[in-house]
Amino acid sequence: QKEVEQNSGPLSVPEGAIASLNCTYSDRGSQSFFWYRQYSGKSPELIMFIYSNGDKEDGRFTAQLNKASQYVSLLIRDSQPSDSATYLCAVKRGQNFVFGPGTRLSVLP
Amino acid sequence: EAQVTQNPRYLITVTGKKLTVTCSQNMNHEYMSWYRQDPGLGLRQIYYSMNVEVTDKGDVPEGYKVSRKEKRNFPLILESPSPNQTSLYFCASSPYGRVETQYFGPGTRLLVL
Repeated sequence: QKEVEQNSGPLSVPEGAIASLNCTYSDRGSQSFFWYRQYSGKSPELIMFIYSNGDKEDGRFTAQLNKASQYVSLLIRDSQPSDSATYLCAVKRGQNFVFGPGTRLSVLP
Repeated sequence: EAQVTQNPRYLITVTGKKLTVTCSQNMNHEYMSWYRQDPGLGLRQIYYSMNVEVTDKGDVPEGYKVSRKEKRNFPLILESPSPNQTSLYFCASSPYGRVETQYFGPGTRLLVL
């Protein structure tokens, strides 16, 4: 079992819809959780991070963490074609980062 | 402009020929890290450094070396590259106490023949 798992997609949603991206992790010692966006041929950029159980909102993005279920999700409201990218989930244990394989999101105009 | 730079951006080499990929940041960050990215595997951490002369292994350190003699530079060394090290490499940095806010470099695409 991989330490961080994501559905590789592609996940296709129509413009204006809510995109829901999911991630599970296996190490209960993981301390903090991250979502990065990566456009094709570019480097990853941080969208959000979350430490505590519950929801964290930033503009159109909401991260949700459930440590009991070892589950992290990212919701993108009012999806735009510019949101089409690969979304990487990452967990931090100590000073070490572990990334999932990424989910490719396609927002259709 | 605050940035992380990597050189070279593209490199084709042959098995066994030592190479170094440089990484430099101008933000006075303490934490620096190297990742490789392969299709279906995502980003995997190779080495990281908490500060000058402090380095530690990530999840896939085999075949790589690093050094941190200066705060701004964190070179990745492949002493004897092999084809399985063909990959896209990213360097990242972040400030002490804000390790989560990593700034990534533009990437180095390496092909080992």
